[in-house]
Amino acid sequence: QKEVEQNSGPLSVPEGAIASLNCTYSDRGSQSFFWYRQYSGKSPELIMFIYSNGDKEDGRFTAQLNKASQYVSLLIRDSQPSDSATYLCAFYTGTASKLTFGTGTRLQVTL
Amino acid sequence: GAVVSQHPSRVICKSGTSVKIECRSLDFQATTMFWYRQFPKQSLMLMATSNEGSKATYEQGVEKDKFLINHASLTLSTLTVTSAHPEDSSFYICSARDAGSPAGEQYFGPGTRLTVT
Repeated sequence: QKEVEQNSGPLSVPEGAIASLNCTYSDRGSQSFFWYRQYSGKSPELIMFIYSNGDKEDGRFTAQLNKASQYVSLLIRDSQPSDSATYLCAFYTGTASKLTFGTGTRLQVTL
Repeated sequence: GAVVSQHPSRVICKSGTSVKIECRSLDFQATTMFWYRQFPKQSLMLMATSNEGSKATYEQGVEKDKFLINHASLTLSTLTVTSAHPEDSSFYICSARDAGSPAGEQYFGPGTRLTVT
């Protein structure tokens, strides 16, 4: 079983819709979870982090964490074409000080 | 949010020469910095973890004598690609972990695109 699983996509949503990105992980000891956005040819940009069960909202973004089911998700409301990018989930495994990244989900927001 | 700078943003060098890339955390202290490499349409690949004042920890398969890492202060880490070859051409990205944050989030620099001719 992979440490982290993300659907590679592309996930295509129309402009104005809600985009839902999911990530599952295997290490129950994982504490902090992060969502990064990466545009083609650019470096990743931190969008949100979450470490408590439940929802965390920041503007159009909502991160959801369910430690019992071992998944974390990112919802993007009112999707815009500028949201088209690859979204990476990441977390610390056990006592490791380095992040484990998913392979990313490519999101396409269509007009 | 926290800012990480990287210099240069783009470099072209001849085969056999060495290239140094700098990574700085501008508004926070980073006891730990990370160096990644990314080839086109591929995932980020962690090369090494750099802790201030100590030797870097390299990932399996990464040659430590070829990719020299120095982390001399809480805001600066450097990566030197020695005797570069065309296969070293890639997008090199550093990240810095905010030592003051309980979540330990990492912020990425803008990356350095290296082309070896």
